[in-house]
Amino acid sequence: DAKTTQPPSMDCAEGRAANLPCNHSTISGNEYVYWYRQIHSQGPQYIIHGLKNNETNEMASLIITEDRKSSTLILPHATLRDTAVYYCIVKRGSNYKLTFGKGTLLTVNP
Amino acid sequence: EAQVTQNPRYLITVTGKKLTVTCSQNMNHEYMSWYRQDPGLGLRQIYYSMNVEVTDKGDVPEGYKVSRKEKRNFPLILESPSPNQTSLYFCASSGYRDTFNEQFFGPGTRLTVL
Repeated sequence: DAKTTQPPSMDCAEGRAANLPCNHSTISGNEYVYWYRQIHSQGPQYIIHGLKNNETNEMASLIITEDRKSSTLILPHATLRDTAVYYCIVKRGSNYKLTFGKGTLLTVNP
Repeated sequence: EAQVTQNPRYLITVTGKKLTVTCSQNMNHEYMSWYRQDPGLGLRQIYYSMNVEVTDKGDVPEGYKVSRKEKRNFPLILESPSPNQTSLYFCASSGYRDTFNEQFFGPGTRLTVL
């Protein structure tokens, strides 16, 4: 699985969009980008995943650059409950295993 | 409601006293897995199971056992716990169609071994 690089921490004002970057310059053509988050010692929670096209669901949007070497998770209107560690994971869809890095601690401030 | 449940949620025990942490999922998932989470080390996979009676080691299997006799259950067994197994444990499950997509995690079991 390709290695990912994320900033260790970010701040965001409540109600504003939170944009969380992830670099994955060695991503292969059959590898997906997955995002999970972990709210203070709770079980990690799946957010979204994508291959090459931008994706959106009820939680977030995922923007993947055309060369697929980086991506951005967007929380359009961050709330205090979005304060969490966000993990960007790159892996093949046929690969069962999630390998968690250190992630980005997003703090949403009132 | 689709969910992964773990029991107990909190456990304090003593060195050498065998314990089992149960994990159950109601989504008919084939794949189940155990992780431990420690400060500075992140989440690390202990064991996983691709289906009933099929289990294999993850990255940190020493000191742990698992079994998968039913599709819904995947207990984690510590036959002789030691203080270095003090950790936060998560069970997870996932179904497989064309790809493994969403993995569901349980609420966690905080284990302290004295």
